[in-house]
Amino acid sequence: GQNIDQPTEMTATEGAIVQINCTYQTSGFNGLFWYQQHAGEAPTFLSYNVLDGLEEKGRFSSFLSRSKGYSYLLLKELQMKDSASYLCAFMDSNYQLIWGAGTKLIIKP
Amino acid sequence: GAVVSQHPSRVICKSGTSVKIECRSLDFQATTMFWYRQFPKQSLMLMATSNEGSKATYEQGVEKDKFLINHASLTLSTLTVTSAHPEDSSFYICSARGDREYEQFFGPGTRLTVL
Repeated sequence: GQNIDQPTEMTATEGAIVQINCTYQTSGFNGLFWYQQHAGEAPTFLSYNVLDGLEEKGRFSSFLSRSKGYSYLLLKELQMKDSASYLCAFMDSNYQLIWGAGTKLIIKP
Repeated sequence: GAVVSQHPSRVICKSGTSVKIECRSLDFQATTMFWYRQFPKQSLMLMATSNEGSKATYEQGVEKDKFLINHASLTLSTLTVTSAHPEDSSFYICSARGDREYEQFFGPGTRLTVL
């Protein structure tokens, strides 16, 4: 079967670093995505990993281990505007996105 | 980057009426479009996948006669919520797939409120 799991909520301090983990199980895999979604808005694309390793993009980095079914999104130098939900999704063998429930990230001053 | 628009952004309607939501890919051709629904504090739920010129594929539990999807061209897909009821109130989001299978671009969403 397929499933994907990420924490429901996390809290971090402005200026700090936070890591949001995502674990998944699937027989067919075509990549792992991270999206950011602010309340009342549609998701916006953050990253795509299909090979193992770390992809760095400014303050955001995403890591993938296919053998472990594990990914994380790393956010550095947190800003208040980073308060949002972060959605993890993998693409299955039919190129369909299977979504996690999202992690609500709360940034405190 | 690729842009997907949705219209309207917000709609309020009376129970029993039908509402049409448009999803357009503005600067690329989308052979496949996806329709999602999202209830408050929940993740995206895929409703259906539509391919240009063919019938949509609905996810289990989604009534195809209630949620009519038409993908008439490579840049336009429409979702019609027929005989809307208050429980249909939700945030409806479309996305469009570009040339590469892993690319999926989201529209801004439509907030539907049924009174």
